[in-house]
Amino acid sequence: QQQVKQSPQSLIVQKGGIPIINCAYENTAFDYFPWYQQFPGKGPALLIAIRPDVSEKKEGRFTISFNKSAKQFSLHIMDSQPGDSATYFCAASAAGGGNKLTFGTGTQLKVEL
Amino acid sequence: EAGVTQFPSHSVIEKGQTVTLRCDPISGHDNLYWYRRVMGKEIKFLLHFVKESKQDESGMPNNRFLAERTGGTYSTLKVQPAELEDSGVYFCASSQSLLAGGSKKQFFGPGTRLTVL
Repeated sequence: QQQVKQSPQSLIVQKGGIPIINCAYENTAFDYFPWYQQFPGKGPALLIAIRPDVSEKKEGRFTISFNKSAKQFSLHIMDSQPGDSATYFCAASAAGGGNKLTFGTGTQLKVEL
Repeated sequence: EAGVTQFPSHSVIEKGQTVTLRCDPISGHDNLYWYRRVMGKEIKFLLHFVKESKQDESGMPNNRFLAERTGGTYSTLKVQPAELEDSGVYFCASSQSLLAGGSKKQFFGPGTRLTVL
């Protein structure tokens, strides 16, 4: 049973476009929702994170939108660049669960010139 | 400040052999997590240490996997004997103690790619 569902599996956008990656969760105990960016041969790197009492968080070109009632959250990348080409993972954790992360399956993003 | 380091970066072993993976967390991070990504699937939790104590090992696949964190610093994950389905990338992550006012942020190492033939 996958507790965090992520879509799409892959995404190709043109430079300057706004890729959107969506995640949905089931466990209402989740209280922390990070996004990780991973380049080939590297480990996941924390990009941005949100808590359920906030509906949107923006850091630079990256924005998380959070819908608590729908149990969904999404990552938007403004003015995407070829250097943003990577795999993106959404995740969720609960304080009561030792903050272990439950990941989505990942989205391979390619930004073309 | 050094990040999370893992050794080796790659390991290729025969079925039935033993392999030990090592993780050095960020200095001062009490929480240490092990995760695994099998090809094409999501990154899955294996276990969680708080200092030297196992807090949660609910994700460990079976008793062929043994994790230790002696002294609360580095951790090792031993697979003995290795099976074909153990192949994947093993990640280690560390985070600060929340009780000490730290953040939930988990910092990941580069991973160890394990191939069992």
